[in-house]
Amino acid sequence: QQQVKQSPQSLIVQKGGISIINCAYENTAFDYFPWYQQFPGKGPALLIAIRPDVSEKKEGRFTISFNKSAKQFSLHIMDSQPGDSATYFCAASLSPGGYQKVTFGTGTKLQVIP
Amino acid sequence: DSGVTQTPKHLITATGQRVTLRCSPRSGDLSVYWYQQSLDQGLQFLIQYYNGEERAKGNILERFSAQQFPDLHSELNLSSLELGDSALYFCASSVTDRTLISGNTIYFGEGSWLTVV
Repeated sequence: QQQVKQSPQSLIVQKGGISIINCAYENTAFDYFPWYQQFPGKGPALLIAIRPDVSEKKEGRFTISFNKSAKQFSLHIMDSQPGDSATYFCAASLSPGGYQKVTFGTGTKLQVIP
Repeated sequence: DSGVTQTPKHLITATGQRVTLRCSPRSGDLSVYWYQQSLDQGLQFLIQYYNGEERAKGNILERFSAQQFPDLHSELNLSSLELGDSALYFCASSVTDRTLISGNTIYFGEGSWLTVV
């Protein structure tokens, strides 16, 4: 029930193309869905996040689409650039009793080729 | 800069030894998490502390232990090290008050690279 399934494991996209990464969750109690971006040798950094009462959130070239009924959410990277090459993790969290439990997906390694 | 500080950044040690990884959370964050990331692996949750108390345990080996001190910094102790323990160990922290506008987000440090030889 705590699992977050992420796909694909790796993705190669041409510069200027759209990168799409999908995640699915099981626990309907999750109340916050962040995406993290990790460059080699660095820690994951928050990229964009969404709450379940919103179906879409856009920040620049990055958009999260959220389908509550299907328990799925996805990250779209428009006009993908070589600098976007990184590993992307989706996550889901809930806060029972005032503390937080965060579950991460297994990660998607994105390579944007010129 | 996430505000989470981890030391040391790199560590090479021999099998059978013991090491301690240190983490200072972001100012004001009460919760600290430890994660392990091996080559080509995702983030494996090890353990979480909130205001000094253990809150959740993940895939943490019995040879590993952690604690959070009154000043909220945390240490991860790894003992009887094996070659397979070589990994990047991340500390993360979060503000756990759900009413905060920033949301329930955790912030990662840059990690401690552990190499066991």
